[in-house]
Amino acid sequence: DTGVSQNPRHKITKRGQNVTFRCDPISEHNRLYWYRQTLGQGPEFLTYFQNEAQLEKSRLLSDRFSAERPKGSFSTLEIQRTEQGDSAMYLCASSLGQSKYFGPGTRLTVT
Amino acid sequence: TQLLEQSPQFLSIQEGENLTVYCNSSSVFSSLQWYRQEPGEGPVLLVTVVTGGEVKKLKRLTFQFGDARKDSSLHITAAQPGDTGLYLCAGAARGQNFVFGPGTRLSVLP
Repeated sequence: DTGVSQNPRHKITKRGQNVTFRCDPISEHNRLYWYRQTLGQGPEFLTYFQNEAQLEKSRLLSDRFSAERPKGSFSTLEIQRTEQGDSAMYLCASSLGQSKYFGPGTRLTVT
Repeated sequence: TQLLEQSPQFLSIQEGENLTVYCNSSSVFSSLQWYRQEPGEGPVLLVTVVTGGEVKKLKRLTFQFGDARKDSSLHITAAQPGDTGLYLCAGAARGQNFVFGPGTRLSVLP
């Protein structure tokens, strides 16, 4: 399967813990995006990389959130000191042109 | 205020019926994309429309981009239970970030 992959698929954590998610994009895609989706809503943009450079961050991305793409391939999204409001589906997408291709997402539940 | 509005919000129909869902904006989009998302999964890209007035067909799905590139529609002919899902439109208006609409949740009953 050469699509976008995300790990883990599900994560349950206690409030205050740190979590890290991984995204492996389609190999030739230079752009990588992170989105967050809550129930009944469309995905909301969090941040965007072109190769290893983080070019844009949404105001939704508080200082507890950090994303990296160290070698311009896979990316990680870390959430520190998780809060219940962080519970959501975290989606990664990659693109080469206009069309974005999404991974299956990581569902985070903060208890 | 949503940059992209979608209607209807929910739609429940019987297998074999036809339906149309809409994606509207007051802004001009360089392109619009339609996705289908099933529960617990990421959105799956269905189509990208680029040219005003463009019509694209994907089996029983017909996508149209408005002449002014401010709106789009998705028409499904003879809907099947496998068409059930959340249909999202998304795009970037001039000078704006790429955004998603809130989606139309379609349920096709056998």
